[in-house]
Amino acid sequence: KNQVEQSPQSLIILEGKNCTLQCNYTVSPFSNLRWYKQDTGRGPVSLTIMTFSENTKSNGRYTATLDADTKQSSLHITASQLSDSASYICVVSGQAGTALIFGKGTTLSVSS
Amino acid sequence: GAGVSQSPSNKVTEKGKDVELRCDPISGHTALYWYRQSLGQGLEFLIYFQGNSAPDKSGLPSDRFSAERTGGSVSTLTIQRTQQEDSAVYLCASSLRLHQETQYFGPGTRLLVL
Repeated sequence: KNQVEQSPQSLIILEGKNCTLQCNYTVSPFSNLRWYKQDTGRGPVSLTIMTFSENTKSNGRYTATLDADTKQSSLHITASQLSDSASYICVVSGQAGTALIFGKGTTLSVSS
Repeated sequence: GAGVSQSPSNKVTEKGKDVELRCDPISGHTALYWYRQSLGQGLEFLIYFQGNSAPDKSGLPSDRFSAERTGGSVSTLTIQRTQQEDSAVYLCASSLRLHQETQYFGPGTRLLVL
């Protein structure tokens, strides 16, 4: 069964600290993996998208990594800011024509 | 417009009533998706459109749910005889091509069934 599991479910960190969110998937065959940020009350916004041949991709203070062999991805946030408080969703796409598989997200709270 | 728009932004209805949710995708995007997000839950895929056709309706939770897209643009999601468990945020997204491109999400419609 195609699944996307994210950990931790929630996380609280102090402003300025770094953190890493995890995503494990069983989707096969695999096409690409995306990380989305969803602020409370808003729709998700794309952060990164990686194909199986890409190991890392950065978007500002966000860096995503992908290990297609172990089917694991991580999202590293550097020097966190209060505005990083949101839900971070990992989404995996299989072969063309198949629907996206969403993880349940990690809720990040950055406090001052 | 610049992004995906949805209307209404909020909808409160009585159990048993029908509701219609609207999604206006980004101009030129051929693919359109509907998702549901219940409180504290992840996104649940409902249905997608490639152009005006919806080849896979298996994600719709019951036969009370239907969706259509006309003219390859605006889509409506209709929920008939609403139930309290239908209360959720309904999100619409569009992408340039089906599934493989970045999806751009609208702000969602918050539905509350009393």
